[in-house]
Amino acid sequence: NAGVTQTPKFRVLKTGQSMTLLCAQDMNHEYMYWYRQDPGMGLRLIHYSVGEGTTAKGEVPDGYNVSRLKKQNFLLGLESAAPSQTSVYFCASSSPWTSLNNEQFFGPGTRLTVL
Amino acid sequence: DAKTTQPPSMDCAEGRAANLPCNHSTISGNEYVYWYRQIHSQGPQYIIHGLKNNETNEMASLIITEDRKSSTLILPHATLRDTAVYYCIVRPGGFHNTDKLIFGTGTRLQVFP
Repeated sequence: NAGVTQTPKFRVLKTGQSMTLLCAQDMNHEYMYWYRQDPGMGLRLIHYSVGEGTTAKGEVPDGYNVSRLKKQNFLLGLESAAPSQTSVYFCASSSPWTSLNNEQFFGPGTRLTVL
Repeated sequence: DAKTTQPPSMDCAEGRAANLPCNHSTISGNEYVYWYRQIHSQGPQYIIHGLKNNETNEMASLIITEDRKSSTLILPHATLRDTAVYYCIVRPGGFHNTDKLIFGTGTRLQVFP
């Protein structure tokens, strides 16, 4: 199993450009999450999804949109990138029904720089 | 959500036990204590969790005080590969929980030879 994968690994954008980050998991997890991590900080939740076709806002949702059209994929979109969105983005997944520990499994991250 | 307080950094000699403290004085009765770690910009990794009893797995031990207001993560024989940022997180357990993790700034553990 690949676990949680993220595409791309690195990206540089100009202010105002748009892009989509893709997260995929092969563990049949119901829940998926997008976090951002700024230098020296802990992770902050952007959006999350508790199932296919459903999404909800986290701590820092402004400037981002998400979609969960398929259970295994969770997309994070930036419609008009700003320098404040320069960060490392982590995707995670979990399932309370398949993991006794209720743990989240994280992807390797996407490093995004907005100039 | 309950907040946690951790020291910003700690050192530990290789082969010795690393004891990482965490204060969570406002923890509620249904909230678990979770520990994750993040090795050099990788995605966080689950270590262990507990409610009120001490827990042990292949990675670490978790000691929770009787009043549940604090806990200690113990790495019994630290290695250089244990150098990481360790996050103590409090969250409700059970099913149908959206599992939102609130990360603080954690403790940066440096294991030295």
